[in-house]
Amino acid sequence: KAGVTQTPRYLIKTRGQQVTLSCSPISGHRSVSWYQQTPGQGLQFLFEYFSETQRNKGNFPGRFSGRQFSNSRSEMNVSTLELGDSALYLCASSTTLGRSYNEQFFGPGTRLTVL
Amino acid sequence: AQKVTQAQTEISVVEKEDVTLDCVYETRDTTYYLFWYKQPPSGELVFLIRRNSFDEQNEISGRYSWNFQKSTSSFNFTITASQVVDSAVYFCALTPNTGGFKTIFGAGTRLFVKA
Repeated sequence: KAGVTQTPRYLIKTRGQQVTLSCSPISGHRSVSWYQQTPGQGLQFLFEYFSETQRNKGNFPGRFSGRQFSNSRSEMNVSTLELGDSALYLCASSTTLGRSYNEQFFGPGTRLTVL
Repeated sequence: AQKVTQAQTEISVVEKEDVTLDCVYETRDTTYYLFWYKQPPSGELVFLIRRNSFDEQNEISGRYSWNFQKSTSSFNFTITASQVVDSAVYFCALTPNTGGFKTIFGAGTRLFVKA
């Protein structure tokens, strides 16, 4: 079974631009979560999508948004980039059975650098 | 408030030593899930273990063992006879049972195992 894939792996943007990152979950996984990892703040939860609906959201400004498609693939978008948005963005997928939370499988991440 | 504290920022041991990584969590939920993940230098998080709040049984998997104590809100991880390949950052994480993933990660403990 293929793992979680994220594209692109590396991205360099300038302040004020916008960026779209893509995540393909493991086949059959309907839950996709996004995390931001920085040296200063660690791993922070951005949002989670399940069956094309945002189910949970972290404490990030509205410049961070996402969506999920019917095939469970997900994208996240960051508009009006700031220097502080430079980070490793990780996507994770999981199966959820009722109210049981299984482990999340993480992709390799997209390294975003904002200049 | 939900919180995960990994007080040990970095630990350095010599190969074959035993090492324990501490994790203390805070949550008001009665049902929740705890996880440990490993992030090797390659960057991709790897799932190690999941525990739900109703299962306080300790677990051993090869050289890895976990001690879950609700009374002290701790979920500690021990590596027995450490090896150089164990060098990585280890994250403890909490997923409250709020309907969907909203995982809170600890800051991580960087483990160096020297030959």
